[in-house]
Amino acid sequence: AQKITQTQPGMFVQEKEAVTLDCTYDTSDQSYGLFWYKQPSSGEMIFLIYQGSYDEQNATEGRYSLNFQKARKSANLVISASQLGDSAMYFCAMRDSNYQLIWGAGTKLIIKP
Amino acid sequence: EAGVAQSPRYKIIEKRQSVAFWCNPISGHATLYWYQQILGQGPKLLIQFQNNGVVDDSQLPKDRFSAERLKGVDSTLKIQPAKLEDSAVYLCASSGDRFYEQYFGPGTRLTVT
Repeated sequence: AQKITQTQPGMFVQEKEAVTLDCTYDTSDQSYGLFWYKQPSSGEMIFLIYQGSYDEQNATEGRYSLNFQKARKSANLVISASQLGDSAMYFCAMRDSNYQLIWGAGTKLIIKP
Repeated sequence: EAGVAQSPRYKIIEKRQSVAFWCNPISGHATLYWYQQILGQGPKLLIQFQNNGVVDDSQLPKDRFSAERLKGVDSTLKIQPAKLEDSAVYLCASSGDRFYEQYFGPGTRLTVT
């Protein structure tokens, strides 16, 4: 069965430090996509970054990068130089063969000043 | 570019009452999704539309939930009658040519008492 696992329910990180949020996935599909979304307390889901299963290079978007290790089935999100505004829930999701998203349970990130 | 619009933002009703949510996707986006997000969990897909046709409604509790997307643009999701376990945030999302990017609205937070 297809599944996304986020093992960190919560994390505290000092402002300006880098942070890695873990995500592992399980699928038998050859073609799939991996996403990270940010959900602030306001409730809106904000798309951060996407990695396709055939992409050879790790995706990057500004301060966000996705550490894609296909053999280990992991897709960790790295946020460089964290800011107070990064405090939010972070969800890892996977696009299945029907182009629908399978979601992890999320990680609550709190940035300390 | 205007984002996905949803209304209302908050709704409190008593059990057995009915409620309706409205979503207007990003202009030109053919695919529209409704998700239910219970506190502390990732979103669960309720229904997916492609233009005005239903692609997947396998997780929609059809005895009480209904959704329509007339003219392939905006959409309404209805619950009738509501139960206590329907308390959640209802998220609407849309995607366009870059089908793997879903853009979310602010959500409607429903409390059933």
